[in-house]
Amino acid sequence: DTGVSQDPRHKITKRGQNVTFRCDPISEHNRLYWYRQTLGQGPEFLTYFQNEAQLEKSRLLSDRFSAERPKGSFSTLEIQRTEQGDSAMYLCASSPKDRGYQAFFGQGTRLTVV
Amino acid sequence: GENVEQHPSTLSVQEGDSAVIKCTYSDSASNYFPWYKQELGKRPQLIIDIRSNVGEKKDQRIAVTLNKTAKHFSLHITETQPEDSAVYFCAARGWRALTFGSGTRLQVQP
Repeated sequence: DTGVSQDPRHKITKRGQNVTFRCDPISEHNRLYWYRQTLGQGPEFLTYFQNEAQLEKSRLLSDRFSAERPKGSFSTLEIQRTEQGDSAMYLCASSPKDRGYQAFFGQGTRLTVV
Repeated sequence: GENVEQHPSTLSVQEGDSAVIKCTYSDSASNYFPWYKQELGKRPQLIIDIRSNVGEKKDQRIAVTLNKTAKHFSLHITETQPEDSAVYFCAARGWRALTFGSGTRLQVQP
């Protein structure tokens, strides 16, 4: 499968712990997005990278959230001091240079905070 | 910011019938409108999209129409099949990222 890859697929953590998720975009896609999806809702935008530059962050992204894309390839999303309200599916998407408006999603990381 | 509303939230049709899902958006600067299909536990899959310089686009049994003046767009599925059962999301793209509707759960009864 040459699509967007996310790891892990599932993560259960205790409240207060830190977690980190990884996203590998489709090869040569220069744009990368993180979204969060809760049950019964559409994905909500969190942050966006063009190459290694983080160009936009949603106000949903509190100070406990940080994202990086150090070499313009894979990206990580870290949540510090997790709270039960952080439980959700975290989706990554990428877009190609020539069709930057199209977004192709990974299968997501489902986070459960207990 | 952009706001996208989607209706209906659930839709049940008989196999072979047509299904229509409607969305409205608020930001007149939005210029790209994709539709995603999401099956349980799977990734959102892009099934069709339309840019603002086009009023209609068709791909086999699915079509999307866009009315920029009224700021609404619709997904049409003809000759529905049981495998069309899923949650469908519309989205609108403004400056950088997509804003999604809340989804329509489509159930196709055999």
